Amino acid sequence: EDKVVQSPLSLVVHEGDTVTLNCSYEVTNFRSLLWYKQEKKAPTFLFMLTSSGIEKKSGRLSSILDKKELFSILNITATQTGDSAVYLCAVDSLANAGKSTFGDGTTLTVKP
Amino acid sequence: DAGVTQSPTHLIKTRGQQVTLRCSPKSGHDTVSWYQQALGQGPQFIFQYYEEEERQRGNFPDRFSGHQFPNYSSELNVNALLLGDSALYLCASSDWTSGGADIQYFGAGTRLSVL
Repeated sequence: EDKVVQSPLSLVVHEGDTVTLNCSYEVTNFRSLLWYKQEKKAPTFLFMLTSSGIEKKSGRLSSILDKKELFSILNITATQTGDSAVYLCAVDSLANAGKSTFGDGTTLTVKP
Repeated sequence: DAGVTQSPTHLIKTRGQQVTLRCSPKSGHDTVSWYQQALGQGPQFIFQYYEEEERQRGNFPDRFSGHQFPNYSSELNVNALLLGDSALYLCASSDWTSGGADIQYFGAGTRLSVL
């Protein structure tokens, strides 16, 4: 059975800090790893990673995948209060594209 | 461009009742998946519909059933409600035909409370 473990479960930082969120996974026939941001209710897509070692970047957010060690990290630099949210990591397998297995998320709180 | 819409936003039911949740996918998307998210946990996959058929199913009992209509909208039905069914139910759509199955666009969810 596919499995995703995220750490830490929660994190409190101050504006301007840099944070690193971790995601380790076990999946049969890896297809992709995805990061989502969940504020209030609807998760919104951040990144999709399929290849090892290639960093995806969007503004202050970046993510990288290590397929050998089976983990990914999400970095947020110069954090802002608007970054406060639950960050979810999910994996898809080749046999089950779209049947995402999610971790329980990391709750990030950014204080002014 | 309308995103994924779900109705109703909140619902209160009693044990043993039945409930129907509705979802309209993002324009241009042909695949709908349903997830259950309990408080403090990540979304759990219930099932996925494509071309009006259930293509994949997670570890949920037969009390959970669904349907997809020709316009790609979908319903989730839950029979014989249990207290443990209280959760946020999320609908997600994706574009399978164009190879975009991985990236899912989520609706704001239906908060179901079973008393």
